[in-house]
Amino acid sequence: DAKTTQPNSMESNEEEPVHLPCNHSTISGTDYIHWYRQLPSQGPEYVIHGLTSNVNNRMASLAIAEDRKSSTLILHRATLRDAAVYYCILRVGYTPLVFGKGTRLSVIA
Amino acid sequence: NAGVTQTPKFQVLKTGQSMTLQCAQDMNHNSMYWYRQDPGMGLRLIYYSASEGTTDKGEVPNGYNVSRLNKREFSLRLESAAPSQTSVYFCASSEKSGGFNEQFFGPGTRLTVL
Repeated sequence: DAKTTQPNSMESNEEEPVHLPCNHSTISGTDYIHWYRQLPSQGPEYVIHGLTSNVNNRMASLAIAEDRKSSTLILHRATLRDAAVYYCILRVGYTPLVFGKGTRLSVIA
Repeated sequence: NAGVTQTPKFQVLKTGQSMTLQCAQDMNHNSMYWYRQDPGMGLRLIYYSASEGTTDKGEVPNGYNVSRLNKREFSLRLESAAPSQTSVYFCASSEKSGGFNEQFFGPGTRLTVL
């Protein structure tokens, strides 16, 4: 299985941009890069996904390296509600999502 | 739409007792999943059902059974609960099981086995 590596934790000030990195050096050509987040005491929720090109949606942006061996989730202005565990996940073929430990993001007011 | 609902929200069992966790989705999704999450850990897949009538083992299936009752409902059964099964259990669904598929998660069931 292709694996991802994320920092255990990160901290950001409120209303500042946050860049959450993810390394996936063994990614295969057909793997999608998914990001989910888990707010305290809730189930995970989808954030964004991409294959090769950078992606934007209302929640975040996803920047994918040209060699696809790493990606960065960008929250443009962190709010207190963005404090969560963020998971970077590769979809391997048609298997279900495999979650790692993710990055715990703390947002300071 | 309620999305994905799970019952019960909390449960305490004694070792050896059995119980069934219920999950239902109202999004007409084909695929459903059961995960467990231990403290400080990510989610681990127990079982999944790619479509009605099919079930497959995930990463940690031992000690569990599942039933895809119909397209809406996917239940998880613990036949003889053990303290190692103390965890938070999440059910999820998606339109299909492959490619890009947003998974929608329920609120979780917090299970304690004494």
